[in-house]
Amino acid sequence: DTAVSQTPKYLVTQMGNDKSIKCEQNLGHDTMYWYKQDSKKFLKIMFSYNNKELIINETVPNRFSPKSPDKAHLNLHINSLELGDSAVYFCASSPRGTHEAFFGQGTRLTVV
Amino acid sequence: AQSVAQPEDQVNVAEGNPLTVKCTYSVSGNPYLFWYVQYPNRGLQFLLKYITGDNLVKGSYGFEAEFNKSQTSFHLKKPSALVSDSALYFCAVRDIGDYKLSFGAGTTVTVRA
Repeated sequence: DTAVSQTPKYLVTQMGNDKSIKCEQNLGHDTMYWYKQDSKKFLKIMFSYNNKELIINETVPNRFSPKSPDKAHLNLHINSLELGDSAVYFCASSPRGTHEAFFGQGTRLTVV
Repeated sequence: AQSVAQPEDQVNVAEGNPLTVKCTYSVSGNPYLFWYVQYPNRGLQFLLKYITGDNLVKGSYGFEAEFNKSQTSFHLKKPSALVSDSALYFCAVRDIGDYKLSFGAGTTVTVRA
């Protein structure tokens, strides 16, 4: 009964490949996020969707494309992977407004 | 624009001693403030939040934080630290009416036995 679940947990792939990370939340939240945590543990927001509508799109290469098929899912597709994309990617969800975000366990992406 | 600063990369304390992790913020409106903890190879776990009301908020695992509007601070505290509190702590802020949750750079806490 995991609240926010991401798959896969680990992803090792070669440069130039295309990969997807999936995220699902069973909390009934309206808002979902993708964050990137780099090697220095810094957390940077990438995207946010509210009720399937894109509301935050930070300065992210257009090789990254989020897709929200419904309110409970937010997937991240990455084209033409580069070495610098290696990081831990966290999905999170939040009710509207002032509430805290709930995070998934992360997907450790390693590009070789 | 909103931002968070955690001035200390590392905090080291002895078990049983008080623990303080500092956080200052900058928002254009009223802040919603949060603390999270991250254990190695894990996701972020929510500890506590300040939305409105009492400036002293209590959270999980015996942690508390004090909101100080004049100093734009939201320091995390624990009266008596445990070795198991050793982890990476993040302060986060959301401006009122904003969906974006911005995080500080994190503070690594080490509690020695």
